[in-house]
Amino acid sequence: NAGVMQNPRHLVRRRGQEARLRCSPMKGHSHVYWYRQLPEEGLKFMVYLQKENIIDESGMPKERFSAEFPKEGPSILRIQQVVRGDSAAYFCASSPGTGGRYSTDTQYFGPGTRLTVL
Amino acid sequence: AQTVTQSQPEMSVQEAETVTLSCTYDTSESDYYLFWYKQPPSRQMILVIRQEAYKQQNATENRFSVNFQKAAKSFSLKISDSQLGDAAMYFCAYRSLTGANSKLTFGKGITLSVRP
Repeated sequence: NAGVMQNPRHLVRRRGQEARLRCSPMKGHSHVYWYRQLPEEGLKFMVYLQKENIIDESGMPKERFSAEFPKEGPSILRIQQVVRGDSAAYFCASSPGTGGRYSTDTQYFGPGTRLTVL
Repeated sequence: AQTVTQSQPEMSVQEAETVTLSCTYDTSESDYYLFWYKQPPSRQMILVIRQEAYKQQNATENRFSVNFQKAAKSFSLKISDSQLGDAAMYFCAYRSLTGANSKLTFGKGITLSVRP
């Protein structure tokens, strides 16, 4: 059973370009989370999605950032008109989402995408 | 809002010795989960151990155990018989059980080095 897949692993963009980060959850997982890690910092929650639905986007900047998790295919985190401050590692995690209130529903993380904005 | 604090930025331990990493958190909730994740130089986030707040018994996974003090809102990780492969950043994380929100709130992490 393959783990959470993210690609690309490294992405370089110039200011003003668009960045697209992809995440394929573990097989059988229907919940996806995106986190951002700035240098020397812990991970910060951005958005939580289920298939075709955004459940919680409270951690995502209101402008330039969007996320989707279509019925078919990977989850996409899209950053438009990137700026230097967007340089960070972006992690995706997935969970089964089937266990109910007291399920640990452990989140399994992908290897991350390191975005560098020149 | 919940917060997680890891006040020690770095720690060092001799191989085969025991080390304890500290974590405190702030919440008004009574039901939640706590986690320790390890991030080695590869940057992959690896779950080390988890604790359900409603359980009084401290979680244990092989050489890793926690000291969960709910009243004090403290959740420390003890690593016994430290190995070179334990060298990594360690993050403490909180997960609420309120509503549909299952996001993780992380501390800033602590860098653990292991001396041979």
